[in-house]
Amino acid sequence: QQQVKQSPQSLIVQKGGISIINCAYENTAFDYFPWYQQFPGKGPALLIAIRPDVSEKKEGRFTISFNKSAKQFSLHIMDSQPGDSATYFCAASIWRTGANNLFFGTGTRLTVIP
Amino acid sequence: DAGITQSPRHKVTETGTPVTLRCHQTENHRYMYWYRQDPGHGLRLIHYSYGVKDTDKGEVSDGYSVSRSKTEDFLLTLESATSSQTSVYFCAISESTSSGRKNIQYFGAGTRLSVL
Repeated sequence: QQQVKQSPQSLIVQKGGISIINCAYENTAFDYFPWYQQFPGKGPALLIAIRPDVSEKKEGRFTISFNKSAKQFSLHIMDSQPGDSATYFCAASIWRTGANNLFFGTGTRLTVIP
Repeated sequence: DAGITQSPRHKVTETGTPVTLRCHQTENHRYMYWYRQDPGHGLRLIHYSYGVKDTDKGEVSDGYSVSRSKTEDFLLTLESATSSQTSVYFCAISESTSSGRKNIQYFGAGTRLSVL
């Protein structure tokens, strides 16, 4: 059972365009929502994160929009660049015995065409 | 990769053999995690540790065991490897602070395991 649902599975965007990736969750106990970026052969790296008491967070060209009532959040990449081509994972965090547990979406492979 | 070393980076083994993957950190972080990454599933938590000798199960722990005898090392063992355990395994670490920084997990480069 996937605790965090992510779409689309793949996305192709022209350089300069906007990339949008969507995620949804059911468990209202999640208290932290990070996005990770992964390049081939590398481990995931934190890109940006948001807490559920905030509706939007922006860092450079990357913005998270968060809708608590709908239990949805999305990543927007403005002015997409070929260097943004990677796999993106949304995640949700919950405190379990002794530590935060992260539940990941299934990933979105983004290709930015020059 | 945030002071995290995973070894080996690649391994091919046969069904039924034991396998141990090692995660070594130089950050002195309290929390360590093992994930597996499979197409169509994203990353799934196998086991985690919240201190030396303190470990707990994640969402896909069957067939795996872990040990943490010192802060810097977290071992993942497949007692008897099966083909369904063919995957890419990632170790992650996070801090122990009073701020929200303990939510941030830093990942190693991964170990690609093939069980034939």
